[in-house]
Amino acid sequence: AQTVTQSQPEMSVQEAETVTLSCTYDTSESNYYLFWYKQPPSRQMILVIRQEAYKQQNATENRFSVNFQKAAKSFSLKISDSQLGDTAMYFCAFMEQRYDMRFGAGTRLTVKP
Amino acid sequence: GAVVSQHPSWVICKSGTSVKIECRSLDFQATTMFWYRQFPKQSLMLMATSNEGSKATYEQGVEKDKFLINHASLTLSTLTVTSAHPEDSSFYICSARVTSEADTQYFGPGTRLTVL
Repeated sequence: AQTVTQSQPEMSVQEAETVTLSCTYDTSESNYYLFWYKQPPSRQMILVIRQEAYKQQNATENRFSVNFQKAAKSFSLKISDSQLGDTAMYFCAFMEQRYDMRFGAGTRLTVKP
Repeated sequence: GAVVSQHPSWVICKSGTSVKIECRSLDFQATTMFWYRQFPKQSLMLMATSNEGSKATYEQGVEKDKFLINHASLTLSTLTVTSAHPEDSSFYICSARVTSEADTQYFGPGTRLTVL
């Protein structure tokens, strides 16, 4: 069974600084997808970034980037120039192709002014 | 990204009654939708996978007779909580898979169910 581990229940960062959220996963498959979702207080799940395992290049989306280490089964999210609106729960998710998605326990990020 | 709506956004009902929650994909067709449950300060737990035109696949421990799922069209899936009890109070979230975007799931805004 695939498992997703987020070892940081809570983190905080000063506005405009950079923060990295960690995620590890366990699988025996070679082809899969990884995601980071953001859940603000509204509880709407918002896709932040996506990475296909077969792609070696790390995905980036504006201030958000990932460090994907396939051999180490690690998928960390870096948020640059943190903004107050980045305050939210962040969930790492794993999905084999066409199968259901499994989520980590989440990391609560607080951006401080 | 794709847009998924959910209705109602919140509902309060009496114990023993049934509640229906709708999940719609607004700008795309979704052959597969998912239903999750989220307790306060916890992660999302998959309840079932809803496939258009066929029976839903339930996760272990989820009572299929209590949580009825119908996926009658490519844009609508419904979750009916039958004979609801206070322990069914939770936040229910649906998602739809977009096959053209590496099977990415887009989520509805969720439904807060409170059973008195």
